[in-house]
Amino acid sequence: DGGITQSPKYLFRKEGQNVTLSCEQNLNHDAMYWYRQDPGQGLRLIYYSQIVNDFQKGDIAEGYSVSREKKESFPLTVTSAQKNPTAFYLCASSMGTGGMNTEAFFGQGTRLTVV
Amino acid sequence: ILNVEQSPQSLHVQEGDSTNFTCSFPSSNFYALHWYRWETAKSPEALFVMTLNGDEKKKGRISATLNTKEGYSYLYIKGSQPEDSATYLCAPTSGGSYIPTFGRGTSLIVHP
Repeated sequence: DGGITQSPKYLFRKEGQNVTLSCEQNLNHDAMYWYRQDPGQGLRLIYYSQIVNDFQKGDIAEGYSVSREKKESFPLTVTSAQKNPTAFYLCASSMGTGGMNTEAFFGQGTRLTVV
Repeated sequence: ILNVEQSPQSLHVQEGDSTNFTCSFPSSNFYALHWYRWETAKSPEALFVMTLNGDEKKKGRISATLNTKEGYSYLYIKGSQPEDSATYLCAPTSGGSYIPTFGRGTSLIVHP
């Protein structure tokens, strides 16, 4: 079955540690996205990538880093510089950007708790 | 940051009631708008994609309309059922942005 896989579903980390969230898709989509959701807030864009080896900052990129070395994979690293990393993280992909190509397909999400 | 507003933020209705929500977005340089349904413990799933002013889409008891000139879309649910309980998100691409921007969503709870 085609889809997006995020792992792990729940993640606990100590304050000050970097942590990497995995996102893999087998939909052959060019574009991939990372969103963050906090209670009472919508989905806020962290980073996006329109093509392999290229990515752009979203609205709240500070304290995060990404890579896009393969079309299928778009891992997100939450660094110690992120002031408030505890949140629900959603990865998504779409065929492309602009117009109808932007229908997003989502993973199941990773809930990160920093203690 | 693209300004996407959804209202109301939450809605409680009785089974059988009809309801509607609003998504407002910048009307300039409009490309497309997607509506998603996000059920608890699941991933958001696309309901509709709308691209043309005056578009109307329908899927069962759910329908949507689009006004790109004034920058809004309505989602209607006729005869709400408990299984319609979910958060409904809109994501336009407009205002010069090729990347979909999500609104905060409307949380719908349908009481039996």
